[in-house]
Amino acid sequence: ETGVTQSPTHLIKTRGQQVTLRCSSQSGHNTVSWYQQALGQGPQFIFQYYREEENGRGNFPPRFSGLQFPNYSSELNVNALELDDSALYLCASSMAVGEKLFFGSGTQLSVL
Amino acid sequence: QKEVEQDPGPLSVPEGAIVSLNCTYSNSAFQYFMWYRQYSRKGPELLMYTYSSGNKEDGRFTAQVDKSSKYISLFIRDSQPSDSATYLCAMKLGNFGNEKLTFGTGTRLTIIP
Repeated sequence: ETGVTQSPTHLIKTRGQQVTLRCSSQSGHNTVSWYQQALGQGPQFIFQYYREEENGRGNFPPRFSGLQFPNYSSELNVNALELDDSALYLCASSMAVGEKLFFGSGTQLSVL
Repeated sequence: QKEVEQDPGPLSVPEGAIVSLNCTYSNSAFQYFMWYRQYSRKGPELLMYTYSSGNKEDGRFTAQVDKSSKYISLFIRDSQPSDSATYLCAMKLGNFGNEKLTFGTGTRLTIIP
């Protein structure tokens, strides 16, 4: 077990809705990253947070946003959902910037 | 052209065989190289983490990096049915603070008992 937990495990939304995905990192892991993994593809980097500040962003539009809290939990918010947002969303945490990343089991999001 | 290319497979081998998984990359700025194993409906699990060219061994797993050819490999010896999973290569730039991992598409591996 990596100590990284995500909720919910599965979620179904309709196009145009908003969604919030949650992640709880190990105690002491002050860096959290979010990835999107479409079916049959490798994970794609969305963004990373370090000490509650965004610290790098991939090629995703502003409707993807995040928050990191002092208690090692974090959120990924997606507004105006599109069909192509259907994917496995992975949270990964590390002890510090530059350290190894440990992934949670992900949230499977389906947009209908 | 993708920055990281990985043969998606699927790859099926008999139990006990040696498995070779490979990735090529185009960005010579990649400095850190990783292999992750992903079981169905699970997140990726870190197997190997390397920095320099050469070989790194951990039990039945050997990671090989050739920066001059922009080519990395993962070898699995004495393969077991429990090794059946999707294997993802991942790479990272060397500058501190840039934590984006770039993944290959993954190779689906099945070990036949």
